[in-house]
Parts: sequence; C-alpha cells; structure tokens
Amino acid sequence: DTEVTQTPKHLVMGMTNKKSLKCEQHMGHRAMYWYKQKAKKPPELMFVYSYEKLSINESVPSRFSPECPNSSLLNLHLHALQPEDSALYLCASSTSRGVDAGELFFGEGSRLTVL
Amino acid sequence: AQKVTQAQTEISVVEKEDVTLDCVYETRDTTYYLFWYKQPPSGELVFLIRRNSFDEQNEISGRYSWNFQKSTSSFNFTITASQVVDSAVYFCALKENNFNKFYFGSGTKLNVKP
Repeated sequence: DTEVTQTPKHLVMGMTNKKSLKCEQHMGHRAMYWYKQKAKKPPELMFVYSYEKLSINESVPSRFSPECPNSSLLNLHLHALQPEDSALYLCASSTSRGVDAGELFFGEGSRLTVL
Repeated sequence: AQKVTQAQTEISVVEKEDVTLDCVYETRDTTYYLFWYKQPPSGELVFLIRRNSFDEQNEISGRYSWNFQKSTSSFNFTITASQVVDSAVYFCALKENNFNKFYFGSGTKLNVKP
C-alpha cells in the first residue's frame, strides 16, 4: 500500500466549480510535490513545498492554488478550471531538501475531469 | 534540451524474454541522482531504484538489473525472464544537486504478452 494518500481518487467538476485535492503522508518527509500527468506523457512538475514553504512553482496558472497546512498535508485548490486541465494529479513526497536526494514516493493520484 | 531521453516509446516482448530499457541523461553537475519508476495501468508511480553519480556499481534485484555508465551517460534497465505483470510504463528520472526537481524521461511502455 502506498504511504502517500490522495483524495478523492476521481473528481468531476464543471468549469465554475471550486474543489480541492488532498494529499497526506506520515513518513516525516519535508518535501512535497504536485505533478500533473496527461495520458501517455511523463509527470509534469507543478509545485514543490520544502519545509512547508513553496520552493518551486513551475509557472502554473493561478486557477491552481497549492497549500501546505503542515508537514504532513498538501492541498491543491482548483477554481475555474478548463477542460484541458483534465488529467491525473499526482502527489509525492521525499526526504530530499536538495543535497541528499531521496526518491519520490507517489500517491495513487486523483483523476480529474473538467466538463 | 531534454535532460533525460528514453528513445524507446514502446516495446513488446513475449513472456520469458529478456528486455532492456534505455535511458540517456544530460547534466553538468558532478553530483546527481538517477531513478527508475514503474507505472502500471492503475496509475501509481512505483519507485524501483536510485543511483548516485558517485556510485557506478551495477545492481541486481531479482529479475531486475541496472547498468549505470557515466562514460556514456546511460542508466539502462534490464528485466530478465519478463512476466505479464511487468507490463507498465517505465520512467527514468534525473535529479541534479541542490534542487528538489526531478526530470522525467518520456517513458517506455513495455507490453509483455503471454
């Protein structure tokens, strides 16, 4: 079983809805990530939090808003999405703070469909 | 420029055949880390192996083996006696020093037929 838990597993939303994706890990990892993955493509980095601070934002549109309430939780708030935002959203965590790279541990993902 | 190249888009083999997945990377860092991940149809990315740039020892884990060659910037993955359960997309990834950023290759889809 994965040690990174994502909810919900599936989400269907309209373009005017506001929803959130949640991610939780209890491995003591201090780096947490959001990736977006379209079909037949590699994961695409969106955001990285390191020690609960946003350290990387890959120029993601503001309709995606990340939040890291504490070291175990990571949220992705969604608002006014477009159909092209439909994808698998993957959360990951790692021990890495830069110098000593730990591997990424991924959750099972949240499959988002925007109508 | 692509930092990680997986030239094989899709490979099909028959069960019990050996198969090698290629990965070529590009970096100017002297310290870096290489990874392989498996993504079965269920979607979750499963970590398989990590290699540090200063450790060129090859590794074997059951039917899996990895060949790391700095001289050719390659980190290839071999599955011996493939099984249907090995069918998945396999990603090679690179992490350079000082950044929490992992560069993924485009992935190789492996189909193992019975």
